[in-house]
Amino acid sequence: GAVVSQHPSRVICKSGTSVKIECRSLDFQATTMFWYRQFPKKSLMLMATSNEGSKATYEQGVEKDKFLINHASLTLSTLTVTSAHPEDSSFYICSARQGAAGNTIYFGEGSWLTVV
Amino acid sequence: SQQGEEDPQALSIQEGENATMNCSYKTSINNLQWYRQNSGRGLVHLILIRSNEREKHSGRLRVTLDTSKKSSSLLITASRAADTASYFCATGKFNAGGTSYGKLTFGQGTILTVHP
Repeated sequence: GAVVSQHPSRVICKSGTSVKIECRSLDFQATTMFWYRQFPKKSLMLMATSNEGSKATYEQGVEKDKFLINHASLTLSTLTVTSAHPEDSSFYICSARQGAAGNTIYFGEGSWLTVV
Repeated sequence: SQQGEEDPQALSIQEGENATMNCSYKTSINNLQWYRQNSGRGLVHLILIRSNEREKHSGRLRVTLDTSKKSSSLLITASRAADTASYFCATGKFNAGGTSYGKLTFGQGTILTVHP
């Protein structure tokens, strides 16, 4: 079946640095991908919609300059957390929609970010 | 309160017992989905129920949907220790044709613990 891969699965970075998380659709083209953030024992909160070849659409309250999203190809979206702070530590999960009009949504395994 | 709220927030049962989780939502929907998340991992899609359906089965899973009450329930029968996980309901935005945009709003989730 379709697989969405995230990399890295875990990353530790120092405050003030930037870290990039990749989301890849391995066997299908994803014109749209979604980035969620999840705090421990909490629900997933949508951060932004990543559209191939165009700017991402951010949810209210999400800083676009803080969380840079690039969807350069039909199989890859990246989330870059810039000038990371300890409060950015969280679990980040992406999902990808198969096809332009399909109902099938696949989730990646998530990426744990710890900012020290 | 938030779209897609679940109760209970935590449920602890013995193996072999049934587990019932409820979800409420606020806006009109085309369908509602249930997902499972093992600790620190990605999401696994369990079942989707459309707004014109009242009940749906998949193996040991039974989902009901009451659009008049804007609520859904997930029943896991004959639970196993391996069912221990967090369970989330999710609703999404859809176009006029009912095709999912893929942008999901998750409930707060129910943490299910099944004791051997």
